[in-house]
Amino acid sequence: DVKVTQSSRYLVKRTGEKVFLECVQDMDHENMFWYRQDPGLGLRLIYFSYDVKMKEKGDIPEGYSVSREKKERFSLILESASTNQTSMYLCASSLKGGANYGYTFGSGTRLTVV
Amino acid sequence: DAKTTQPPSMDCAEGRAANLPCNHSTISGNEYVYWYRQIHSQGPQYIIHGLKNNETNEMASLIITEDRKSSTLILPHATLRDTAVYYCISLATGGGNKLTFGTGTQLKVEL
Repeated sequence: DVKVTQSSRYLVKRTGEKVFLECVQDMDHENMFWYRQDPGLGLRLIYFSYDVKMKEKGDIPEGYSVSREKKERFSLILESASTNQTSMYLCASSLKGGANYGYTFGSGTRLTVV
Repeated sequence: DAKTTQPPSMDCAEGRAANLPCNHSTISGNEYVYWYRQIHSQGPQYIIHGLKNNETNEMASLIITEDRKSSTLILPHATLRDTAVYYCISLATGGGNKLTFGTGTQLKVEL
């Protein structure tokens, strides 16, 4: 069964810490995405990547960066975690080549910054 | 990508068909209609997508109006496990396919 795996289901970090959220997919997908989900705001796109070493800003990139050194792995980095980054983070991947392919999502990482 | 409009919530009796509407009146010719659902505390799950023809798979059916301005997702025999938030999304073809989620429809399936 194809999968998008997020390294942690729950994470608690302190304000000011550097936080790494890891995502790995085993489907050889070119595209990978990071979303955050908050009550009342839905899913919002943070960053995405269409290929290795490529990255594009989504709708809410402030306070985040990403790394895509290998095709299967897409990391989200919180350079200095703040309490307003407490959220559910969802990673997704898809094939390149148009809208005829669905996204596959991971199970999510619930991050709490204290 | 065109904006979609969905009712915020719907109820359905278990075993009955759940018909979830979506308006996408500004959809353009190269935009597909996608449906995803999200069960509480899980990542969204792909259900079905279509361009202009009706589509059916093992999970659901998708009915798209002839003018493509609206569509309906049909779960033919809803079960309690179908309780979830259902998202209707329009998405253009091309390499830059970013899904933009709205607030969706909370479907509650009850006994």
